[in-house]
Amino acid sequence: DQQVKQNSPSLSVQEGRISILNCDYTNSMFDYFLWYKKYPAEGPTFLISISSIKDKNEDGRFTVFLNKSAKHLSLHIVPSQPGDSAVYFCAASGTGNQFYFGTGTSLTVIP
Amino acid sequence: EAEVAQSPRYKITEKSQAVAFWCDPISGHATLYWYRQILGQGPELLVQFQDESVVDDSQLPKDRFSAERLKGVDSTLKIQPAELGDSAMYLCASSPRYQETQYFGPGTRLLVL
Repeated sequence: DQQVKQNSPSLSVQEGRISILNCDYTNSMFDYFLWYKKYPAEGPTFLISISSIKDKNEDGRFTVFLNKSAKHLSLHIVPSQPGDSAVYFCAASGTGNQFYFGTGTSLTVIP
Repeated sequence: EAEVAQSPRYKITEKSQAVAFWCDPISGHATLYWYRQILGQGPELLVQFQDESVVDDSQLPKDRFSAERLKGVDSTLKIQPAELGDSAMYLCASSPRYQETQYFGPGTRLLVL
């Protein structure tokens, strides 16, 4: 059973606009969340994280929002750039440090 | 910048053969993870080491997969015999002790014919 879901397999956005990637989880014990970016033929690269004591974390163009009551998090990229085109995975963990990954969203930023 | 190293990057083998993958984590990282990622899916944990000890191998198919990290540094993942369904990307990740962020290597793409 998929505990972390990314329901949009793909997303296309115009350069300069905002990209919003969504992620839902089912396990209320998850307390730490991360976003990774993955280019073809490479391993995932850590982007940004958030713990359950916060509802927002910002790093440059990337902001992650956490809505614990809805068990939902989102990644905002503003402004989007062509180099942001990649597959984005969200991951969640509770006790024990085991991370559960979503199936990924492929972002295409159109120049 | 320190990186997780993996080799080989690509491996093609025939079913029933043995394959082995190697991972060298970022220096000083106590925790090491092996993941399998099937095309179109997210990474799934196979095994987690804390230093040289296995912390979690509940998802490792132990009839054909084995993993070791003898000196608590680099690690080897072995499949014997390989099956067609093992074709996937095998990712290694590491994290510092008491920290949760994992840093991934480039992966080994395995194709079993």
